[in-house]
Amino acid sequence: KAGVTQTPRYLIKTRGQQVTLSCSPISGHRSVSWYQQTPGQGLQFLFEYFSETQRNKGNFPGRFSGRQFSNSRSEMNVSTLELGDSALYLCASSLVAEETQYFGPGTRLLVL
Amino acid sequence: GQQLNQSPQSMFIQEGEDVSMNCTSSSIFNTWLWYKQEPGEGPVLLIALYKAGELTSNGRLTAQFGITRKDSFLNISASIPSDVGIYFCAGSNSGGSNYKLTFGKGTLLTVNP
Repeated sequence: KAGVTQTPRYLIKTRGQQVTLSCSPISGHRSVSWYQQTPGQGLQFLFEYFSETQRNKGNFPGRFSGRQFSNSRSEMNVSTLELGDSALYLCASSLVAEETQYFGPGTRLLVL
Repeated sequence: GQQLNQSPQSMFIQEGEDVSMNCTSSSIFNTWLWYKQEPGEGPVLLIALYKAGELTSNGRLTAQFGITRKDSFLNISASIPSDVGIYFCAGSNSGGSNYKLTFGKGTLLTVNP
């Protein structure tokens, strides 16, 4: 079974731009979560989607948004990028009722 | 909010030594997970624990879910160079809409051949 895939793997943007990251979950997984990882803050939860609905959201500003499609693929968007948004963005998928989340390789975003 | 304290922050050991790391929480979890992350990659699941008191092994790795549900530990026996990486504990609670993992800050493990 293929793992979680994320595209692109690397991205360089400038302040004020916006960015969209994509995540394809493991086949059969319907829950997709997003995390931001930085050296200072560690792994921070962004949001979780199930059946195209956002069920839970972390403590991030409204510039961070996401969505999930009917095939469970998910995208997250960051508008008006700031230097502090530079991070590794990780997507994780899980089955309906389990909490065991499997992570993708991440998208490394650098904001200049 | 929930916080996980993971210790030690880093470890530098000789190949063949055993390693122990742990996580404690200010509140209870009903699931504990241990992940390993290598540079440039996402965390990889090592062991999942679903029941208080549960002791689970995966090869040279052993993890336990504390009886109080507020702590967990991970042991690595006979370490080898490929054990190098950052080890994270994570806790979660199912039920309602609270589907998220809370992570510890990680333990950086270095193994000297």
